[in-house]
Amino acid sequence: AQKITQTQPGMFVQEKEAVTLDCTYDTSDPSYGLFWYKQPSSGEMIFLIYQGSYDQQNATEGRYSLNFQKARKSANLVISASQLGDSAMYFCAMRRYNQGGKLIFGQGTELSVKP
Amino acid sequence: DVKVTQSSRYLVKRTGEKVFLECVQDMDHENMFWYRQDPGLGLRLIYFSYDVKMKEKGDIPEGYSVSREKKERFSLILESASTNQTSMYLCASSFGETGRGLNEQFFGPGTRLTVL
Repeated sequence: AQKITQTQPGMFVQEKEAVTLDCTYDTSDPSYGLFWYKQPSSGEMIFLIYQGSYDQQNATEGRYSLNFQKARKSANLVISASQLGDSAMYFCAMRRYNQGGKLIFGQGTELSVKP
Repeated sequence: DVKVTQSSRYLVKRTGEKVFLECVQDMDHENMFWYRQDPGLGLRLIYFSYDVKMKEKGDIPEGYSVSREKKERFSLILESASTNQTSMYLCASSFGETGRGLNEQFFGPGTRLTVL
């Protein structure tokens, strides 16, 4: 069965420090995509970063990077230079290309940035 | 600018009522999705539509139905609301599968439904 696991229900980080949010996945499909979304307290889901299973390099988007370790089936999100506005829920998700674009989500990690 | 809108941010209904949650997207997306979000469980897919009048069950379809009469609109229906359907409901849309690639889902602001 395909599954996404986020083992950190909550995390704290000091402003301006880097933080890593863990995500592991389980699939037997060779072709899949991995996403990270941010959900502030206002509720909207904001797309952050994407990694395809065949991408050779780790994805980066500004202060966000995805540490993709295919053999270990992990796709950790790294946020550099944390800001107070980074306080939010973060969700890891996997899309299976042969199943109409549906996403499976992890349980989420609540990140709190301390001043 | 991609926009997915949901008819209500907050909704309070009584047990047994029929509830309609509406979602509209303006990006001509083929795919539309309804998720339910509960603490500690993440987002779970209720129903999915890949074309007008086409629908597919997600992981937790029991107690729900959907309607997609127009491409831009996807409705979630609770035929007889129950207290265990109290939750946050999120609608999303994306382009149809065009091969590998980003094709992220765009989400609406969510509807927080309380069933008393």
